[in-house]
Amino acid sequence: EAGVVQSPRYKIIEKKQPVAFWCNPISGHNTLYWYLQNLGQGPELLIRYENEEAVDDSQLPKDRFSAERLKGVDSTLKIQPAELGDSAVYLCASSLDGRLAGGRYNEQFFGPGTRLTVL
Amino acid sequence: KQEVTQIPAALSVPEGENLVLNCSFTDSAIYNLQWFRQDPGKGLTSLLLIQSSQREQTSGRLNASLDKSSGRSTLYIAASQPGDSATYLCAVRRANDYKLSFGAGTTVTVRA
Repeated sequence: EAGVVQSPRYKIIEKKQPVAFWCNPISGHNTLYWYLQNLGQGPELLIRYENEEAVDDSQLPKDRFSAERLKGVDSTLKIQPAELGDSAVYLCASSLDGRLAGGRYNEQFFGPGTRLTVL
Repeated sequence: KQEVTQIPAALSVPEGENLVLNCSFTDSAIYNLQWFRQDPGKGLTSLLLIQSSQREQTSGRLNASLDKSSGRSTLYIAASQPGDSATYLCAVRRANDYKLSFGAGTTVTVRA
């Protein structure tokens, strides 16, 4: 079974430039998460999707960050314009809704992440 | 707000020694707890998931216990190997909330 796929793996941009990250979740997983991980810290949730709907975006800085999950499968996270403080690892995760998981209730599976460096 | 703490932040042991990693959380009304492994520059690999109704989970050399009432979980790794060197993170999901609250992790080095 293929895992969560993310691209690019690394991105270096100058401040004020736009950047986009792409995520393809595990096939059949209806819930998708974007996390931000700063160095030496645990990941923090940015946004959670159930199918196409963003059901929790309370931690997403909406002035510069946006996300979409068209057709309830792939997702894109965008930053425009990027700031120096946005340098971090952006992780995507997916899970199967508990009602369908057959006991593996909402176990989240993570992709390899995109390491963003803003100069 | 759920606060998750992992102590120690770093640990170095000789090969063959058993590892004990601690995780504590402030809100005992949890749905489940996951232990992850993260290698440098990589994503998170799920190791074990413990439901709130369970006391422990085992997978190979790994055993995780959960004491919900005291807000603690412990990950035991038996007979450590250099390949076990990584950062281990615990994450807690509260009841009625899909968000995972992560600790900062414990970085383990197993010396050959």
